Amino acid sequence: SQQGEEDPQALSIQEGENATMNCSYKTSINNLQWYRQNSGRGLVHLILIRSNEREKHSGRLRVTLDTSKKSSSLLITASRAADTASYFCAFILTGGGNKLTFGTGTQLKVEL
Amino acid sequence: DAGVTQSPTHLIKTRGQQVTLRCSPKSGHDTVSWYQQALGQGPQFIFQYYEEEERQRGNFPDRFSGHQFPNYSSELNVNALWLGDSALYLCASSKDWSTDTQYFGPGTRLTVL
Repeated sequence: SQQGEEDPQALSIQEGENATMNCSYKTSINNLQWYRQNSGRGLVHLILIRSNEREKHSGRLRVTLDTSKKSSSLLITASRAADTASYFCAFILTGGGNKLTFGTGTQLKVEL
Repeated sequence: DAGVTQSPTHLIKTRGQQVTLRCSPKSGHDTVSWYQQALGQGPQFIFQYYEEEERQRGNFPDRFSGHQFPNYSSELNVNALWLGDSALYLCASSKDWSTDTQYFGPGTRLTVL
């Protein structure tokens, strides 16, 4: 399967702490994206990193990409209760148009 | 500016029935993709429509079919429903088939009994 894999499957932290989730994939990609999903509803695009980039920031989000290891990580700093959601990595394969292949997801719970 | 909209929100069907789900893309977008998300899993790509043609297809049987209208809205049809078709069906739109960023609708929750 070309599906990405994420770890951990679930993560529980206290408000104010940092949360890190990891994504691995198996083939050549154009870019990798991270999405958030609240309570099994629609997906919200968080950040996109291209295959020629190594790190990208957006607000409290930091994404890294290591194409040699075929892996990416998403760091959420100073987490808030509102960050509680499922997080998915998704990537576009080389020559794949804009079809997204998703990872298995990480469920993040941020407790007060 | 309206985002991606989907209807209905929830749907309950029985095995063997047929279902039609609808999607209106974000204003200015001409490409619509459909994804199936089973409980506890990541979304799986079903197919993509551009210029009223199916441009790409994932690993789904022919029971899954679609259509795109001249106003870029789209329908997903599933025939001969199985219990395993129970899932959240997500529609995503983009400016064209090569644009990296897609915008997702809230989804339609389909339950097959």
